[in-house]
Amino acid sequence: LAKTTQPISMDSYEGQEVNITCSHNNIATNDYITWYQQFPSQGPRFIIQGYKTKVTNEVASLFIPADRKSSTLSLPRVSLSDTAVYYCLVGGFYNQGGKLIFGQGTELSVKP
Amino acid sequence: GAGVSQSPSNKVTEKGKDVELRCDPISGHTALYWYRQRLGQGLEFLIYFQGNSAPDKSGLPSDRFSAERTGESVSTLTIQRTQQEDSAVYLCASSLVPGTGGDEQYFGPGTRLTVT
Repeated sequence: LAKTTQPISMDSYEGQEVNITCSHNNIATNDYITWYQQFPSQGPRFIIQGYKTKVTNEVASLFIPADRKSSTLSLPRVSLSDTAVYYCLVGGFYNQGGKLIFGQGTELSVKP
Repeated sequence: GAGVSQSPSNKVTEKGKDVELRCDPISGHTALYWYRQRLGQGLEFLIYFQGNSAPDKSGLPSDRFSAERTGESVSTLTIQRTQQEDSAVYLCASSLVPGTGGDEQYFGPGTRLTVT
């Protein structure tokens, strides 16, 4: 099972770009990389998902190197409302019974 | 359409009692997941349903925990003889098509369980 490691906390200021890196050395061939955002007292919310190279949506970008042993979530121009816990998720539910494993999460604090 | 709903939102129970937590997934979502989140910690996978069957129950922490799903819809998580260490937020999520990588999970608001 692929285990993930990410920084416990990060601080940033409004308007800055934030990059959160997740390590997943044992990622399997079929595994996707997914990032979720969680605000206090709420369930996590999907941000972005990728398999390799780069994925971009209206919220974030996800950079995945060729060896796929790590990934970086990039949040452009953060605002105070981006203060949340960000989880890196590796896995995929396929017939082999793959299991999703959440990392310990990175608590991002955006300051004015 | 409606998102994932869970009930009750809060449950306080005495040690040793049984509790049932309910999850209503998004209509048409074939996959359903249960997670547990202890205070200040990350999510812990419990069980996954594909349709009404559970191909992966390995996350259930003990035989006091069980779950079922009926009609490829509602799921209930049952905890028997609750212990104080069961206190946590129990989150349910559903997704449309598992196994393709595009299994974005939609989470409910959770049930906060407190065992006294």
